[in-house]
Order: sequence, then C-alpha cells, then structure tokens
Amino acid sequence: EDQVTQSPEALRLQEGESSSLNCSYTVSGLRGLFWYRQDPGKGPEFLFTLYSAGEEKEKERLKATLTKKESFLHITAPKPEDSATYLCAVYENYGGSQGNLIFGKGTKLSVKP
Amino acid sequence: DAGVIQSPRHEVTEMGQEVTLRCKPISGHNSLFWYRQTMMRGLELLIYFNNNVPIDDSGMPEDRFSAKMPNASFSTLKIQPSEPRDSAVYFCATCRFYTDTQYFGPGTRLTVL
Repeated sequence: EDQVTQSPEALRLQEGESSSLNCSYTVSGLRGLFWYRQDPGKGPEFLFTLYSAGEEKEKERLKATLTKKESFLHITAPKPEDSATYLCAVYENYGGSQGNLIFGKGTKLSVKP
Repeated sequence: DAGVIQSPRHEVTEMGQEVTLRCKPISGHNSLFWYRQTMMRGLELLIYFNNNVPIDDSGMPEDRFSAKMPNASFSTLKIQPSEPRDSAVYFCATCRFYTDTQYFGPGTRLTVL
C-alpha cells in the first residue's frame, strides 16, 4: 500500500485558472511533509515544508496547506511557467522511529497560455 | 553558492560494463542520499550516508550496486555489471542533518543498452 498518494496524476489548466493538487498520506506521527517542483531534465527543487495540521505556507502563486491526512498545493492564477511535476514526500514511521523520505508519484501540471 | 554537483549528466553504456556516478554535496551538509527515478516507480531511495557512514542501504536493489563516501565532499554510486533494467535517472541529494530539507542535484541519466 502506497504511503503517499498524489492526485490527479496529470492536470491541464488554462492560464489564470486556479486549482489544487492533493497529497494524501498514511504514515502516523507525521514529522514533516515536503513539496518539490521538478522540471523536465532537472532534479526536484524544494518548495515547502509543513509540520503540523493547520499550517500554511505561501510562495508567489503557490500555497501549501496541511491536515491530519492530506496536504493541498493551491495554485492561484497559474502561468505557463508553473508547468512542472509537483512531488510530495513524507518521512515514513517505523513504530515510532523515523524511517526514510517517501515520495509520491507526482502530479504533472500543464498550464496553457 | 554551488548546489549539489553530479557527474556525468548523461551516461550511455553497454550491458555488462561498469558504471560510476559521482556526487559532490553542498558544503556543510552531513547527510547524503542516492535516489533512482523511473516512470513506473517514481523516486526511490537507494542508500544514505550520515557523516560519511552508510546508514541504510536497504534500497540498493542488488549486490551489483555499491556506494561509497570516502570523505565529506565526495560520494560514488557504482553499478557492476550494468543491466538494461538499471536505465533510469539517478539523483544525489544532501541536507544538513537527517530530517532536514533535502536538496537535489541535477541527476545522471543512465542508459544501458
């Protein structure tokens, strides 16, 4: 069973059309949820870290929120340069001990002008 | 400030050949991770080092894979012998300490013919 599930797998938006990406996780005792952006042919680029339910962080047109079971990445009035794959990751939990960082499969976002 | 440096950026080799991938971490980062990314499986952790010591290599697929970190500024991932199913993008990521934000290099795209 996947511990980190992202949806949708792909999302096509028109420029200016706001939307949200979802990341649901099943690990208990969350010790950090990370959002990354990955452009084709490049390594993941860090965006945000969230640690507790209710926490929110913003950067330009992006806003990340966290609940006890999921995180949302809201994109407001996106531009074509926001097109990328967005990855979510959490630290797995081994009976109270922290394991490794587990990544979701990502959401590929395409923004058309 | 230089980020994580990986070399080579692209590697094409024939089945059975030895492949060595290299990584130079960000100065001052004490934890280093090797990941593999494929379309089917996404990002998977292969091994990580803390203060140059291998901590968890449970993600290393087979004995054909080995990794070393002889000092704080250099790590290698070696595949010997290489097989076509090893074709993927290999990323190195580093952070100041284990649970901190990980910063990724640009990756090495490996193609085994």
